Amino acid sequence: QVQLQESGPGLVKPSETLSLTCTVSGGSISSYYWSWIRQPPGKGLEWIGYIYYSGSTSYNSSLKSRLTISVDTSKSQFSLKLSSLTAADTAVYYCARDRGSSGEGFDSWGQGTLVTVSS
Amino acid sequence: QLVLTQSPSASASLGASVKLTCTLGNGYSSIAIAWLQQQPEKGPRYLMKVNNDGSHTKGDGIPDRFSGSSSGAERYLTISSLQSEDEADYYCQTWGTGIRVFGGGTKLTVL
Repeated sequence: QVQLQESGPGLVKPSETLSLTCTVSGGSISSYYWSWIRQPPGKGLEWIGYIYYSGSTSYNSSLKSRLTISVDTSKSQFSLKLSSLTAADTAVYYCARDRGSSGEGFDSWGQGTLVTVSS
Repeated sequence: QLVLTQSPSASASLGASVKLTCTLGNGYSSIAIAWLQQQPEKGPRYLMKVNNDGSHTKGDGIPDRFSGSSSGAERYLTISSLQSEDEADYYCQTWGTGIRVFGGGTKLTVL
């Protein structure tokens, strides 16, 4: 059973860059897509973007100018960098295995990490 | 436009059944969706995929009380013999080339 674990700072200042890492265990990072999803307090889920293990990416158009997602297969990790943060970026950030390209959806999720943007 | 629409809330009594609906936007009535469950203060959990023909494939460990079906542009999640732990937010989700979309979620209250 694949497991995912997010890591990164819980508090980031406005205008700074958020860096999060998702570590995949119990399964291979290869041959899959991997997504980042976020959920502002009391609100619904928002897809941020995905990366294929080979490095190809697709981003939510609303975040594309501020977003970079990368992968390190040697460490079974993929990462998110989101720049120019504002209070609107405050959310729980989840990583998930993304099987959308094989028609299955997000079938494994991390527990999530709360990121607060505040000075 | 690839859009998923869900009612914001639903309620049903303990032991009863409830059917939640996810409606696909115009032009997308043939595509599959997935259902996710998010219990209070927890991360989402994959429940199942529902195809346009009504067939569904459940995730590991999902009880038989959960089932999926389909009609036209609507995809359904039916939960029978409702238990208190079924009180949760339920999201539908779908995918396209380079895009992933969530419905707004339905908050299910078990009375």
